[in-house]
Amino acid sequence: EAQVTQNPRYLITVTGKKLTVTCSQNMNHEYMSWYRQDPGLGLRQIYYSMNVEVTDKGDVPEGYKVSRKEKRNFPLILESPSPNQTSLYFCASSLGLAGALTFGAGSRLTVL
Amino acid sequence: DQQVKQNSPSLSVQEGRISILNCDYTNSMFDYFLWYKKYPAEGPTFLISISSIKDKNEDGRFTVFLNKSAKHLSLHIVPSQPGDSAVYFCAASGGTSYGKLTFGQGTILTVHP
Repeated sequence: EAQVTQNPRYLITVTGKKLTVTCSQNMNHEYMSWYRQDPGLGLRQIYYSMNVEVTDKGDVPEGYKVSRKEKRNFPLILESPSPNQTSLYFCASSLGLAGALTFGAGSRLTVL
Repeated sequence: DQQVKQNSPSLSVQEGRISILNCDYTNSMFDYFLWYKKYPAEGPTFLISISSIKDKNEDGRFTVFLNKSAKHLSLHIVPSQPGDSAVYFCAASGGTSYGKLTFGQGTILTVHP
């Protein structure tokens, strides 16, 4: 089944404890992206990648890092999480830049 | 600065009637627009898209209209069904960075039986 898989789905952590949210797609998509969803703000893009080793900032990249060493994986790294990074995170991928995105099911992160 | 705005947080419609969801944008460089639907506890799913070279795109019960001069797009659902109840997001891309996709805040659609 074609899908985008994120892990963990739920995580409660404490301020400053590094964490990684993994994202993997099995559709051989070139484009991958991370979003966060917050009430009243919709979905905001954190980082995106147009291919292996090619990443760029979205609208809210502060406090996040990404890497794209393989085509299928695009992990989101929070080096020192803070409470304002408590959010619902979505990873997505598409075949091309204008392609319709396939989203993962989401990862709900709480930083205490 | 919210470049894509959905000014109606919610919309309630009777089954069988038309649902019209609206979206406004400010960036004149946007040239590709998409609508996504999101159910609780799931990721958004792609619904329909439109390029700026068109003013209408239709897919079954869903039609998207684009008014470039007004920087406005709308999604029409006819006839509306209870299963259409979800959050609807519009999104836009274009300009100097095609990798960036900007979403609106979302509109909660409720279709009553």
